[in-house]
Amino acid sequence: DADVTQTPRNRITKTGKRIMLECSQTKGHDRMYWYRQDPGLGLQLIYYSFDVKDINKGEISDGYSVSRQAQAKFSLSLESAIPNQTALYFCATSSRDSITDTQYFGPGTRLTVL
Amino acid sequence: AQKVTQAQTEISVVEKEDVTLDCVYETRDTTYYLFWYKQPPSGELVFLIRRNSFDEQNEISGRYSWNFQKSTSSFNFTITASQVVDSAVYFCALSVGYGGSQGNLIFGKGTKLSVKP
Repeated sequence: DADVTQTPRNRITKTGKRIMLECSQTKGHDRMYWYRQDPGLGLQLIYYSFDVKDINKGEISDGYSVSRQAQAKFSLSLESAIPNQTALYFCATSSRDSITDTQYFGPGTRLTVL
Repeated sequence: AQKVTQAQTEISVVEKEDVTLDCVYETRDTTYYLFWYKQPPSGELVFLIRRNSFDEQNEISGRYSWNFQKSTSSFNFTITASQVVDSAVYFCALSVGYGGSQGNLIFGKGTKLSVKP
């Protein structure tokens, strides 16, 4: 089984709809992240969480919210989806116990907003 | 501010050729980490290597090798005897602060490598 899972893997929704993307991990890591990838732009950080009670905005947090329900679960919500939020979304995890803090990524969720 | 530049947008080679992917980074922090990730056509991101700012030793892993030079702020990636399975988008990334304490990875825009048979 994969260490970092994302659901759904693909989602098509309409403008104005609320949508939640979920991430779960079995790596035992305390840190979790949400990124979005747009063609030709690399990955940009949306939110990150260093533990259940510590949530921080990344560089492109507008229009998004997150919830860290447990150490192993980190959800990303789009309260009112808009077409320019069409992208590939990645969840990642890392461990504070590792001084190099390598981030390991989930398989991605492809979101299309019509 | 931190920045990662991958000047090569796309590279196309024929199988068995050697290819080098360039990565130039900018940071004023003295403690930082550099990474390479591979994104094959299936879309997932696969971790390849990390290097910390205190270790300039080059590394070789099979057909892959990495050249880290602080003097030129570069962390280049070479694939020797390329294979079709190497076709992917490769990302260079930077993390600053001890243990990545500043939280995020700064990614370059990626280099798309196509290896033709």
